Order: sequence, then C-alpha cells, then structure tokens
Amino acid sequence: GENVEQHPSTLSVQEGDSAVIKCTYSDSASNYFPWYKQELGKRPQLIIDIRSNVGEKKDQRIAVTLNKTAKHFSLHITETQPEDSAVYFCAASNYGGATNKLIFGTGTLLAVQP
Amino acid sequence: DAGVIQSPRHEVTEMGQEVTLRCKPISGHNSLFWYRQTMMRGLELLIYFNNNVPIDDSGMPEDRFSAKMPNASFSTLKIQPSEPRDSAVYFCASSPVVAGAYEQYFGPGTRLTVT
Repeated sequence: GENVEQHPSTLSVQEGDSAVIKCTYSDSASNYFPWYKQELGKRPQLIIDIRSNVGEKKDQRIAVTLNKTAKHFSLHITETQPEDSAVYFCAASNYGGATNKLIFGTGTLLAVQP
Repeated sequence: DAGVIQSPRHEVTEMGQEVTLRCKPISGHNSLFWYRQTMMRGLELLIYFNNNVPIDDSGMPEDRFSAKMPNASFSTLKIQPSEPRDSAVYFCASSPVVAGAYEQYFGPGTRLTVT
C-alpha cells in the first residue's frame, strides 16, 4: 500500500542554523505534498505544500523541494528560531484520484537550541 | 469561522465503557477525517467521509470502532467497548476539497484515557 518514510526522527540544531527534513513516498500517482507543524499539545497545522507540477516552493524562511523521479521531497527551514521547535509531518496524496486521503510520515521532532 | 470543533476535549473512562467523540467540521467543507495519534504509532487515519458518505474505513482498528456522519455539520466516532490501548489523542479534520484547495484543517483533538 501507500507509504511515506520520513527522516530524521529527531533533529537538534543551533538557533540560526538550517534544518532539513526528508521524505520519500511509494505511490507514483501522488501529486500533493503538504507539511504540517505540530507544537506540543496542539493540533497539526499546515505550513507549506507543493503540487507535483512544480519542483520548489518558498515561503519566507521555509521551502519545500520535490523530486518526482526519485519520489522524495524535503522541507528546508533557514535561520531557525526557538519557536520553530515542534514536530513536523510530511504527507502525500493523490488528489483527483480514487481517494483524497493524506498518507503521513512518522514525524520529525525538531529542537532549536537558543 | 470557529474552525473544526471537537468535544469533549478530554475524556477519562473505564475499560468496557462506551465512548463517543464528536466533531463539527468547518461550514462548507465536504470532506471529514478522523485520526488517532499515539507516540508509538504516530498519526493514523481511521476513516474519512466525502459528502457525508464513508469512503475509506480501512484504518479503523477493529469492530469496536464505528463512525457516522448523519449530516454535513456533524460526525461521531464511537468506541464500544473501550480498552486501555485505545488511549490516544483523536483528531477530526475537514477539508473543502475543491479545485486547488486541499488543506486539511484539524480540530483541537480529544485526549482519551481508558483506565
């Protein structure tokens, strides 16, 4: 079945450094790749997403890249700040296909050390 | 809009009791999703509805779990009988699923503890 693998499971960086989280997906029909941020005790919230017709998308300090040939996509956070500390989930979906459900990765706990 | 509303926010019950979790999606959203989150298993999709119709319930762990969506503004997830291993945070999410708008908006979650 569909599967999304996410690495690393934990990531610790110094404030101001960059953080990169990587995901691979198994369903070649996937065409929508969102990233969610979940702070401790809170709900997951969408921070950025990318469609399969583009290779990169940027929003201020966060960016996502997509390589459809290799079936992997990555989240890049630059100039990290303590408030970036959270669990980040990647997901993949085949919107417009038989189902619109998201397949989530297992999450990455990002700790930004001040 | 108030966002996705879930109730109760916390539920503590004894093993064997029936538990009912409730969700009100964002008005106008036509897809609704139920997730379970635990440390061990992460974020799991249990079931989702399009236009009040269950589309995929392959994530429902066993017959003790059931979900309904009687109308566009209300859904329930029921566990009967509950077991300690059902302890988790249960999220409901809704999505408009119109062309170009795929984001799922999560509710605050219900923290279920079964003793």
